[in-house]
Amino acid sequence: AQKVTQAQTEISVVEKEDVTLDCVYETRDTTYYLFWYKQPPSGELVFLIRRNSFDEQNEISGRYSWNFQKSTSSFNFTITASQVVDSAVYFCALDPYSSASKIIFGSGTRLSIRP
Amino acid sequence: NAGVTQTPKFQVLKTGQSMTLQCAQDMNHEYMSWYRQDPGMGLRLIHYSVGAGITDQGEVPNGYNVSRSTTEDFPLRLLSAAPSQTSVYFCASSLGGDTGELFFGEGSRLTVL
Repeated sequence: AQKVTQAQTEISVVEKEDVTLDCVYETRDTTYYLFWYKQPPSGELVFLIRRNSFDEQNEISGRYSWNFQKSTSSFNFTITASQVVDSAVYFCALDPYSSASKIIFGSGTRLSIRP
Repeated sequence: NAGVTQTPKFQVLKTGQSMTLQCAQDMNHEYMSWYRQDPGMGLRLIHYSVGAGITDQGEVPNGYNVSRSTTEDFPLRLLSAAPSQTSVYFCASSLGGDTGELFFGEGSRLTVL
């Protein structure tokens, strides 16, 4: 079965704290893509990152970093020194067929950053 | 560059009415899809298309029809709206393959009374 699990429904932290959003996926395919999207209160979906299943290097982009571990089927997202503008719903997603047409989304994690 | 354009942004229907959500993209993407977003359930795939003339069902296709007569357009039709179809609908497009990022429209909020 293809599935994405984001067990953390809501997270609330104080500004400047570090926070990690968990994502666990299931797929039998050996070639797949993983994504993270951000949905701010305005409602649009903003692409953050795409990772190929053959590339297990961690990625850092400013205050954002991603930890991909195939051994545990996880693709976790860390925000360092969080800011109020990071408040949003974050979705992890899986493209199990590398097709870009049947992407499976997790249920999302609502992140609230308190000033 | 308009990207993915969805209309209307808001719509209120009565049970049993029909309507079409329009989606157009100007990026010459082959792949297009429709998702619905409900509280606590993330985005669920309704229908998708891998090119003009080709469509297929996603996870929650019941009550919805689609067609893809051109590369640019991928309308979603509700033939007889039901309150369970109250949701936010997102259209997305992609080049596919190694450049498979999904580009989303701004969403359409539909309420069925």
